[in-house]
Amino acid sequence: AQTIHQWPVAEIKAVGSPLSLGCTIKGKSSPNLYWYWQATGGTLQQLFYSITVGQVESVVQLNLSASRPKDDQFILSTEKLLLSHSGFYLCAWSPRGPNQDTQYFGPGTRLLVL
Amino acid sequence: QEKVQQSPESLIVPEGAMVSLNCSFSDSASQSIWWYQQHPGKGPKALISIFSNGNKKEGRLTVYLNRASLHVSLHIKDSQPSDSAVYLCAVSRNNNAPRFGAGTKLSVKP
Repeated sequence: AQTIHQWPVAEIKAVGSPLSLGCTIKGKSSPNLYWYWQATGGTLQQLFYSITVGQVESVVQLNLSASRPKDDQFILSTEKLLLSHSGFYLCAWSPRGPNQDTQYFGPGTRLLVL
Repeated sequence: QEKVQQSPESLIVPEGAMVSLNCSFSDSASQSIWWYQQHPGKGPKALISIFSNGNKKEGRLTVYLNRASLHVSLHIKDSQPSDSAVYLCAVSRNNNAPRFGAGTKLSVKP
């Protein structure tokens, strides 16, 4: 069975500080990977997707970047956090893609920027 | 840009009731619709998807898609307290990122 792990579980960071969030998929080779953001009380919004190692497509510009250094790993980062970055970050994968199939979400990372 | 609207915003029903959730979308070329369930502080979990006009049944869930009226509904039969969650509708066209609705918060009271 496939498992998806996100780290950290939660973060409290200062405005202007850097951020790195991680996601690992086990049990599935060459998955399509996605990063989503959900503002508190807001709708789920796809930020990035990746169909293969080293290739990432941006969907929404939020002063964030993403990278896929390994087949099973997806990283979301920024050098300078903004207050507006607060929210719930979710990693997801699908067997086919991009966006052609049901997506399976991880447990999420809660981020609070102060 | 695709707009996805869900109704009602929230719903409280007694255990065993039939639940009906609605989702309207704006793009008639949308091809794929998914329903997800999200418990507080957790990632969404896929429940059921539909790609063709008509209906699809899986266990206690039935989804109806009417492309002419740009409307899809999810019906949960014999609702249980464990069904209490936010239900999200997601609509996608081709390879574009799915657009999610704001969700319907369901509470099933024992």
